[in-house]
Amino acid sequence: DIQMTQSPSSLSASVGDRVTITCQASQDIKYYLNWYQQKPGKAPKLLIYDASNLETGVPSRFSGSGSGTHFTFTINNLQPDDIATYYCQQCNEALPFTFGPGTKVDLK
Amino acid sequence: QVQLVQSGAEVKKPGSSVRVSCKASGGTFSSYEINWVRQAPGQGLEWMGGIIPMVNRTNYARTFQGRVTLTADESTTTAYMELSSLRSDDTAAYYCAMSGVIGRLDYWGRGTLVTVSS
Repeated sequence: DIQMTQSPSSLSASVGDRVTITCQASQDIKYYLNWYQQKPGKAPKLLIYDASNLETGVPSRFSGSGSGTHFTFTINNLQPDDIATYYCQQCNEALPFTFGPGTKVDLK
Repeated sequence: QVQLVQSGAEVKKPGSSVRVSCKASGGTFSSYEINWVRQAPGQGLEWMGGIIPMVNRTNYARTFQGRVTLTADESTTTAYMELSSLRSDDTAAYYCAMSGVIGRLDYWGRGTLVTVSS
């Protein structure tokens, strides 16, 4: 199975800050990498698909980049509504579709 | 807009089985893949498997192979996840999620809490 790692596991930032989360795959997954946001008690929500494509309706302050084994997720101008846990997920043809362990973002 | 409505919370005894349903509306049910993802309390997300109703093809994560069965009823646009031989560590929220593109979990149900306790 492809293993996904994320860093950091948690971070604290202030409103307006730029937040960056990294995700690493144990093998080449090309660009088959999605990012999800999950708020407490809620289902995850797809934000970014295929590494860098913004899902319809998602604010443009969210962005993603990367390919192969190394990926980055960025929130520009952090807002209070962005407080959540963020997960990467690989969807390469090699099953299972594994998730990273998550990064919890809260306000400083 | 696709909506997924899941069945209600369940409390089960160890060794028993649970069946969770996921009714879809607003999309082309047969051509989507319906995935199941679980989340133990305070833990991360774990993909369990997926089914494409149109071709009745299923894929299961190795961790759950032999214990989980995914089915789908196109006539009622409802997908089902059955997990057998329940253990206390199966206590989790179980989510269904639909994919228009394989692996991309576009639409999610609200989750069904399954508690396994003697």
